[in-house]
Formats: sequence, C-alpha cells, structure tokens
Amino acid sequence: EVQLVESGGGLVQPGGSLRLSCAASGFTFSDYEMNWVRQAPGKGLEWLSYISSSGSTIYYADSVKGRFTISRDNAKNSLYVQMNSLRAEDTAVYYCVREVNILATTMGPFDYWGQGTLVTVSS
Amino acid sequence: SYVVTQPPSVSVAPGKTARITCGGNNIGRRSVHWYLQKPGQAPVVVIYYDSDRPSGIPERFSGSNSGNTATLTITRVEAGDEADYYCQVWDSSSGHRVFGTGTKVTVL
Repeated sequence: EVQLVESGGGLVQPGGSLRLSCAASGFTFSDYEMNWVRQAPGKGLEWLSYISSSGSTIYYADSVKGRFTISRDNAKNSLYVQMNSLRAEDTAVYYCVREVNILATTMGPFDYWGQGTLVTVSS
Repeated sequence: SYVVTQPPSVSVAPGKTARITCGGNNIGRRSVHWYLQKPGQAPVVVIYYDSDRPSGIPERFSGSNSGNTATLTITRVEAGDEADYYCQVWDSSSGHRVFGTGTKVTVL
C-alpha cells in the first residue's frame, strides 16, 4: 500500500524557518516525481514545488521561489522542503504528493497524497 | 504563469448532470487533470489526461477538453458527489503544475 506521511509542521514565528519531511513507502520512491502542494485554511490548492525522480530537475511556484527548497533522499525514501523567511500567508496544510508519469510528453496526475501537515506562521 | 479559472460554485439536483468548467488560453492544447476534495480529506484524482478515468472512479465522471475550456461532467449526480473540484494543467514553459481556482459542487 502506497503511503506518504508528512511531518515537521507546527507553529513558527514570521521570518522563521521550518523543514517538512515526507516518508514514502509501498512503492519504489526513486522511480517517481514528487511535489509539494499546500492549502491555506478555507482556500484552494496551491502547487508549490516539483522534483524529478533523480532530483536533477526542480521547479518552484513564484510565491515560494527563493524561500523554499525542495530535496529528496532516495536512499531514505524521503522528500523534504526547507521553508525559510516564513510569512503569515504561508499558513496552510502542506501535502506531499506523488506524480505518476504515464506520458513522457506532459505531466502526469497526482495519484497519491499524504494527509498533510499544518504549518502556522504567527507571532 | 499560466492561469486557469473555474466557477466558484455549481449547484445541481440529485439525478441531474453537473458540468464544471476550467478555462484557460488554448487549454485544449494541454492535458487536464481533475481532482475532487471532500472536507478534511486529501484530494483524489477523478479524471486524468482530459478524459481518462482511474480505476474505482464511477463512469458517471467524464471529461472533455477543447478550445479554451475543459469540462468535467458528472451524470446522475448523487449526494456523495458534493465536494470541491479542481482542474490542473502543466505549464510547459515554466514546469509549473497549475491548479484551477476550484469549484464547490452543491447537491440540492
């Protein structure tokens, strides 16, 4: 059974940092592209960042570029995001998401999601 | 960055058909994925690559994509279909995986 379990969320002051982790199991982690997606309270889904299966290709949403850093450790079946210079508007549930690459010519759907970890940025 | 827009809400009576649109410039040239999200739960993909349906998703869910609009259609709507629905496209120029603004489907 595929499982994605996020950890590391919590309360942090504005300007602070936090590192989220995602432990993957039930599949060959190194074969899959991964993403982070967040959802602010009562708001829609916001894609944040993508990392290729090898880690060689990375993309960021404009809202977090320069502040967030995605990474992965295929030996540990883990995905990470380092979040710096946090703002109140970064308050959200953060999801670790697997992307399945069915067609080589375009992105695949997000087929498995973790349950999310809540990050609250407040003084 | 590529922008996709959805109506904030759609209301439909049980047994009727709901159509949820996803608008974007020449979106018909891109592949669209659709997700539903129920309160307190993670999203679930219901349609991928415009019209493919994952195993376990009822045939009542279908998708189409042409011109500037992609559409998720739910036939014979049930109370359990009440959820937020999001479309998603890939902006190949930036690599961004863009979500639509989301549509809340209410079953009357």
